Amino acid sequence: EAGVVQSPRYKIIEKKQPVAFWCNPISGHNTLYWYRQNLGQGPELLIRYENEEAVDDSQLPKDRFSAERLKGVDSTLKIQPAELGDSAVYLCASSGGGNYGYTFGSGTRLTVV
Amino acid sequence: AQSVTQLGSHVSVSEGALVLLRCNYSSSVPPYLFWYVQYPNQGLQLLLKYTTGATLVKGINGFEAEFKKSETSFHLTKPSAHMSDAAEYFCAVTGAGTALIFGKGTTLSVSS
Repeated sequence: EAGVVQSPRYKIIEKKQPVAFWCNPISGHNTLYWYRQNLGQGPELLIRYENEEAVDDSQLPKDRFSAERLKGVDSTLKIQPAELGDSAVYLCASSGGGNYGYTFGSGTRLTVV
Repeated sequence: AQSVTQLGSHVSVSEGALVLLRCNYSSSVPPYLFWYVQYPNQGLQLLLKYTTGATLVKGINGFEAEFKKSETSFHLTKPSAHMSDAAEYFCAVTGAGTALIFGKGTTLSVSS
């Protein structure tokens, strides 16, 4: 079984530029999460999807961040425009079956210069 | 509301020594508790989890943790450290209908 797939693995952009991250969850997992992990910190939730519905986006900075999960499978997280403080690792995770088994992808390391 | 506190941002042990990483949680609902490990430039790997049932949970790589409700703790232990255990460890909590909430992490260093 393939795990959670994220791309790209690394991204370097200049500030004020847009950037997008892609996540393909484990097949059959209805719940998808985007987390942000700053250097030396634990991951922090940005948004949680149940199928295609965003059920918790209270921590998503909506002025510059957006996310979508079309057809309840793949998801895209976008930042526009990026700021220096957005440099972090963006992790995607999925879960399903009610056993609280979260599986994380390898993450996208974003560097804003 | 839920939260996790990991005591000690950095723990150093000698190879073969006991590993003890401390985690205390706060939760208004019955908690589900997790320990994850993260190696440099990699994602999070589940070590073990407590949902219900036996309070002593065994995980991968010889790690185990005990859920103590009276102490609101879920400390991670391993009897004998190995060099390959050096990594970042995260404790996390969730409950019904909520997402995982992580602690700030503990860096484990193992010296020979």
